[in-house]
Amino acid sequence: DTAVSQTPKYLVTQMGNDKSIKCEQNLGHDTMYWYKQDSKKFLKIMFSYNNKELIINETVPNRFSPKSPDKAHLNLHINSLELGDSAVYFCASSQNPRTGGWETQYFGPGTRLLVL
Amino acid sequence: DAKTTQPPSMDCAEGRAANLPCNHSTISGNEYVYWYRQIHSQGPQYIIHGLKNNETNEMASLIITEDRKSSTLILPHATLRDTAVYYCIVRGKLTFGQGTILTVHP
Repeated sequence: DTAVSQTPKYLVTQMGNDKSIKCEQNLGHDTMYWYKQDSKKFLKIMFSYNNKELIINETVPNRFSPKSPDKAHLNLHINSLELGDSAVYFCASSQNPRTGGWETQYFGPGTRLLVL
Repeated sequence: DAKTTQPPSMDCAEGRAANLPCNHSTISGNEYVYWYRQIHSQGPQYIIHGLKNNETNEMASLIITEDRKSSTLILPHATLRDTAVYYCIVRGKLTFGQGTILTVHP
């Protein structure tokens, strides 16, 4: 059974489009995260949700909007896609208090987004 | 948040121990040291973490110096599948640095 799953695995789209990436975890964790890994391979936190509540929101354009329908899901919606949004997006989850601090995180396989 | 410094790359022969160093001289007293790795095209994978004492699990050992300013991840018998980027992270810092590219060769 896949612990943290993401769909789609690959996403190729045109500039200006709106797209969503879905993430689900079946580990019973309370906290989920979205990370972006750019072409230089730096992996940076974007958002973190604890029990459907936003607890971390890094300096990310407001074109990016996370949505958590329940604690097992954290979807990422991106409006008006730009060339610079091309990257690999990773979802992760952990069992930790709402402080948003680190505990052992389990990552999904990533979604490779290419904006043309 | 404490910053970490790792060598950009290391090589290791298959079957030998791989010792990956990390400096975290500004670490504060309650910050844990975490190690993750990322195999090509996959999501990062948790390896081990520790606060003060040395730790060991089925994947690796973590040696933390007494002053906690540095640590070493040890893969006791490296295999080709251990080739990956290894990240040393201090708790609270939610950005992975460049890490160490470990290449295990036959």
